[in-house]
Amino acid sequence: GNSVTQMEGPVTLSEEAFLTINCTYTATGYPSLFWYVQYPGEGLQLLLKATKADDKGSNKGFEATYRKETTSFHLEKGSVQVSDSAVYFCAQGGGSNYKLTFGKGTLLTVNP
Amino acid sequence: DADVTQTPRNRITKTGKRIMLECSQTKGHDRMYWYRQDPGLGLRLIYYSFDVKDINKGEISDGYSVSRQAQAKFSLSLESAIPNQTALYFCATSESYNEQFFGPGTRLTVL
Repeated sequence: GNSVTQMEGPVTLSEEAFLTINCTYTATGYPSLFWYVQYPGEGLQLLLKATKADDKGSNKGFEATYRKETTSFHLEKGSVQVSDSAVYFCAQGGGSNYKLTFGKGTLLTVNP
Repeated sequence: DADVTQTPRNRITKTGKRIMLECSQTKGHDRMYWYRQDPGLGLRLIYYSFDVKDINKGEISDGYSVSRQAQAKFSLSLESAIPNQTALYFCATSESYNEQFFGPGTRLTVL
């Protein structure tokens, strides 16, 4: 079945450090790929997405590229801020049933 | 006002009690979902609905039931709550495969 594996946390960085959170997926066909972010005490919100191979999703300084050959969708940011502290979820989905399959989440803490 | 609302936001109950969690949306979406979130396990799909007459089980539906009262309302029930149903529950809606919109969550504790 479909699955998503993402880097286990927690990840702790200093402000302005470079961030990478790895995500790989297994799927039949070519799903859409997503990164969701959950700030403390809130629900999930879409951070970025890519719907086909080689697409790059970007938002708020975060980027991720849909790599079909490595079945990956790694999240990157060049310079993190304290306000980026949150849990990040990689997900795949789409198709006729519109269901999403989530990774287990990665807690990011950014210290000043 | 929030597009997807959940009530209650927090609930503590006892083993064996019946509990209903409610979700309402103003986005006009046909598709609605219930997930539970457990530390280290991510989000897992409990039930989903494509319209009022279409209800489908997700990967962990045992011990849960749902009701789609209207396009805008989707309720999750625990008929007889047990401690391992202690979790954070999220409702979500969508109209396309590109995005789901999540409510703020309900934190449920079963003693």
